[in-house]
Amino acid sequence: DGGITQSPKYLFRKEGQNVTLSCEQNLNHDAMYWYRQDPGQGLRLIYYSQIVNDFQKGDIAEGYSVSREKKESFPLTVTSAQKNPTAFYLCASSTGSGQINTEAFFGQGTRLTVV
Amino acid sequence: DAKTTQPTSMDCAEGRAANLPCNHSTISGNEYVYWYRQIHSQGPQYIIHGLKNNETNEMASLIITEDRKSSTLILPHATLRDTAVYYCIVRVDAGNNRKLIWGLGTSLAVNP
Repeated sequence: DGGITQSPKYLFRKEGQNVTLSCEQNLNHDAMYWYRQDPGQGLRLIYYSQIVNDFQKGDIAEGYSVSREKKESFPLTVTSAQKNPTAFYLCASSTGSGQINTEAFFGQGTRLTVV
Repeated sequence: DAKTTQPTSMDCAEGRAANLPCNHSTISGNEYVYWYRQIHSQGPQYIIHGLKNNETNEMASLIITEDRKSSTLILPHATLRDTAVYYCIVRVDAGNNRKLIWGLGTSLAVNP
């Protein structure tokens, strides 16, 4: 079955440590996205990538980094510079920007807790 | 900043139609309206989208006003499994970049 997979579902880290969240898709989608969601809030865009080896900052990129070495994978690193890292992180993918009507498919999310 | 406003919460009886309103008075002519829903602690699920015309699929119908300043998502026969937060979203296209601008959503409770 095609889909988008995030792992792990729950993640605990000590303050000051970097942590990398995994996102893999087998939908052959060009575009991938990382969002952050806080309680009672909508989704905020962290980073996005329209094609391999290229990515752009979203609205709240400070304290985060990404890479896009393979089409299928778009890992997100939460660095120690991120002041409030505890949140629910969602990865999504869609067909490329050349497509007019695109829907994004989301993973099931990773809930990161920093203590 | 979100480009949409929705009621914070709504209730609906099981088996009845659920009508979820959304205001997007500042929408531009080429910006699409998307609807997603999110069941607690899961990833959002795509429902439907439209530009000007009304749209229908196996999940829902989307009614967009002629001036495009508001829309309504209709779940024709709501079930308990439709209990979720429903997000009305505007898709903004800036050159080759495409962004979904998320609001706070409507928490729909379907009651037996």
